[in-house]
Amino acid sequence: GAVVSQHPSRVICKSGTSVKIECRSLDFQATTMFWYRQFPKQSLMLMATSNEGSKATYEQGVEKDKFLINHASLTLSTLTVTSAHPEDSSFYICSASIDRSVYGYTFGSGTRLTVV
Amino acid sequence: AQSVTQLDSQVPVFEEAPVELRCNYSSSVSVYLFWYVQYPNQGLQLLLKYLSGSTLVKGINGFEAEFNKSQTSFHLRKPSVHISDTAEYFCAVRSLYNFNKFYFGSGTKLNVKP
Repeated sequence: GAVVSQHPSRVICKSGTSVKIECRSLDFQATTMFWYRQFPKQSLMLMATSNEGSKATYEQGVEKDKFLINHASLTLSTLTVTSAHPEDSSFYICSASIDRSVYGYTFGSGTRLTVV
Repeated sequence: AQSVTQLDSQVPVFEEAPVELRCNYSSSVSVYLFWYVQYPNQGLQLLLKYLSGSTLVKGINGFEAEFNKSQTSFHLRKPSVHISDTAEYFCAVRSLYNFNKFYFGSGTKLNVKP
């Protein structure tokens, strides 16, 4: 089946530094990938839609300059949290679309970001 | 727009007992409905989905859910739970017209006790 790999699974960084999270589709090509954020004891909120070869589409309220998304190939999307602050600490999950049908979404295993 | 309400934030239950996790949704258009499970520090795993057809949907790990259009509900059930079912469960909807966006409920923590 379709597998989405996310790396790293956990990362601790110092305040003010940047962190890159990778999302890879292992056995399929994903023209579209999605980045979600999950606060403790809350649900997932869509941050942005990553489109291969074009700019990402951000949801309202998400700072595009802080959360840089790059989808340079059909199998890789990256989320870079720039100048991270403790309030950016969260669980980030990516999702990839196998095709544009309703069946075709697979979620990664998530990245736990802790900013100290 | 769509929204999803999971009425119970936590559900404690003893092993081998039945369980129902409630989900209600609101939408001005037809939607697809999903239940996902999240184990600690892991991503989401699809349990089951309702797209069309029979309103009773069977998923993995012995779970099932019933779509009730008149009550706009999609409750998740299991007749006999195991310790390994302890996890967070999320109900989600997607519009038939916008495949790109899931709307998730706030989640229900199922705690199965021995």
